[in-house]
Amino acid sequence: DQQVKQNSPSLSVQEGRISILNCDYTNSMFDYFLWYKKYPAEGPTFLISISSIKDKNEDGRFTVFLNKSAKHLSLHIVPSQPGDSAVYFCAAVNFGNEKLTFGTGTRLTIIP
Amino acid sequence: ETGVTQSPTHLIKTRGQQVTLRCSSQSGHNTVSWYQQALGQGPQFIFQYYREEENGRGNFPPRFSGLQFPNYSSELNVNALELDDSALYLCASSPRVANYGYTFGSGTRLTVV
Repeated sequence: DQQVKQNSPSLSVQEGRISILNCDYTNSMFDYFLWYKKYPAEGPTFLISISSIKDKNEDGRFTVFLNKSAKHLSLHIVPSQPGDSAVYFCAAVNFGNEKLTFGTGTRLTIIP
Repeated sequence: ETGVTQSPTHLIKTRGQQVTLRCSSQSGHNTVSWYQQALGQGPQFIFQYYREEENGRGNFPPRFSGLQFPNYSSELNVNALELDDSALYLCASSPRVANYGYTFGSGTRLTVV
């Protein structure tokens, strides 16, 4: 039962353009969401998070949007840079619970 | 400040054997979580330790067990290894429970043959 889904296994974007990564969830108990970035041979790195009381959170070039009615969140990266090439994981949790549920990841490739 | 360190980086074991994986938390972090990442999948929660006590467990059988030590380092033990246990095992630390901006280690790649 995949409660967090990232339906695009890969995405290629031109350098300088916007990258949009998508994530859907099915568990309505989830109320806190995160994005992690993973380079090869490294552990995931926390990128940005959002609580269900908000619909948008920004941090520099990264913005996460949450649509609770659609159970959908997205990560926007503007402008995209070569160093953004990595696998991006969406994760969700019922805040206060110890278990993060991850999606299967989207491999983002930024084309110079 | 040091990050999360995991050892060993790679390991090959035979089915039926036992394995111990180790993790040193980031300085100041008292909460450690372990995740299993199979090929092509996202990390799956195994369990979490807080102040040396198990603080939650995922859908893994009892042959997966853990420990946390007074210095907040941690071990993951797996008994009676099965082929499906082949995966990347990730340790993540955080300064407290319900702080989800985890610091992950680079993982231990376990291969069971």
